[in-house]
Amino acid sequence: AQSVTQLGSHVSVSEGALVLLRCNYSSSVPPYLFWYVQYPNQGLQLLLKYTSAATLVKGINGFEAEFKKSETSFHLTKPSAHMSDAAEYFCAVNQGGSEKLVFGKGTKLTVNP
Amino acid sequence: DTGVSQNPRHKITKRGQNVTFRCDPISEHNRLYWYRQTLGQGPEFLTYFQNEAQLEKSRLLSDRFSAERPKGSFSTLEIQRTEQGDSAMYLCASSTDSNQPQHFGDGTRLSIL
Repeated sequence: AQSVTQLGSHVSVSEGALVLLRCNYSSSVPPYLFWYVQYPNQGLQLLLKYTSAATLVKGINGFEAEFKKSETSFHLTKPSAHMSDAAEYFCAVNQGGSEKLVFGKGTKLTVNP
Repeated sequence: DTGVSQNPRHKITKRGQNVTFRCDPISEHNRLYWYRQTLGQGPEFLTYFQNEAQLEKSRLLSDRFSAERPKGSFSTLEIQRTEQGDSAMYLCASSTDSNQPQHFGDGTRLSIL
């Protein structure tokens, strides 16, 4: 069965600092991996997706993630945090051929001025 | 691309009442998904349609829940005899293929009094 673990339910950074949000997955076959962002009282917006074309994936708003098969990780990074990045971030896995997304519990990012 | 539309945005009802939510997917998307999100958790898969056929249901979808997509366009999710534990955000998503990202609506927040 697929599962996703997001280490750290809350992450706090200063504006301009590096953002690192951690995601580890388990899957019996090569997975498709996604990062979504959720602002209060809104749905989820896709940040980026990994579908085996390249291990380093660039997304919107300056975010990127690196797929590391040996570590079963797909951590999300951004070199310089902006106040508008404050939101909740979800990592999700979709095992090839399966229709459903399995989400982690989310990481709430706070950006301090 | 007008996005996934969900109505109503908020629903407050008394325990024991029936409620129905509507989801209008992106027009060319043949796949439609329902998820439930409770406070502090990631979304959990409920059910999935390909065109009008309901192809997968989670064990979370008790017999009080029913979903339809009668003409392969919009979908409805009905909850009968609501319980306190049904309080959650109900999210709808759509996509064109199992390997493509799912696009989410802003959700319907259900509160049970």
